[in-house]
Amino acid sequence: DTGVSQDPRHKITKRGQNVTFRCDPISEHNRLYWYRQTLGQGPEFLTYFQNEAQLEKSRLLSDRFSAERPKGSFSTLEIQRTEQGDSAMYLCASSDLNGANVLTFGAGSRLTVL
Amino acid sequence: QQPVQSPQAVILREGEDAVINCSSSKALYSVHWYRQKHGEAPVFLMILLKGGEQKGHEKISASFNEKKQQSSLYLTASQLSYSGTYFCGTEEGTSYDKVIFGPGTSLSVIP
Repeated sequence: DTGVSQDPRHKITKRGQNVTFRCDPISEHNRLYWYRQTLGQGPEFLTYFQNEAQLEKSRLLSDRFSAERPKGSFSTLEIQRTEQGDSAMYLCASSDLNGANVLTFGAGSRLTVL
Repeated sequence: QQPVQSPQAVILREGEDAVINCSSSKALYSVHWYRQKHGEAPVFLMILLKGGEQKGHEKISASFNEKKQQSSLYLTASQLSYSGTYFCGTEEGTSYDKVIFGPGTSLSVIP
């Protein structure tokens, strides 16, 4: 069990560019979540998957954000036309629903938009 | 709906006790507790399920009042390693759902 892996760990981009983050969950986990966290705040829910199906996307999330989980394994989160307000830590978490929906988080991908 | 946490911050001396509270206006299926240290990812502490089941670390205790949709995390005989930000997360409804996190409670334990 190698835990939840996220890549890249840090990304600096210019406003207007597209960025993509990848998350590799724990292999037997069928649920995968994306959260966004800014300094001093709790993780903000973005979207989540059960296997390959996207179950819900936050209504607060702009159409510039899209996520996929092809084949129910790794997931990608893409942000198009980045804005300075997108600067944050993007956290991925996975769970196996084995009696309880306990989340295991990855180390996160920090995005800085200049 | 984001749960509410109190207090926002607390400072303890080693060995002192603390209680962190979490409440929601929605009917809950579960309450989660996680701790996040500076620069690190949140780490699971405990989950309390509707119906009374609990899973988590042996040294952590918490309660879940299903009627009031409130939970409390009890930190006793605090150690320096307890410092960090504590988040409660809630699942609404009657079964597994997305986990919505509160704003956090910052805990500092000093010698």
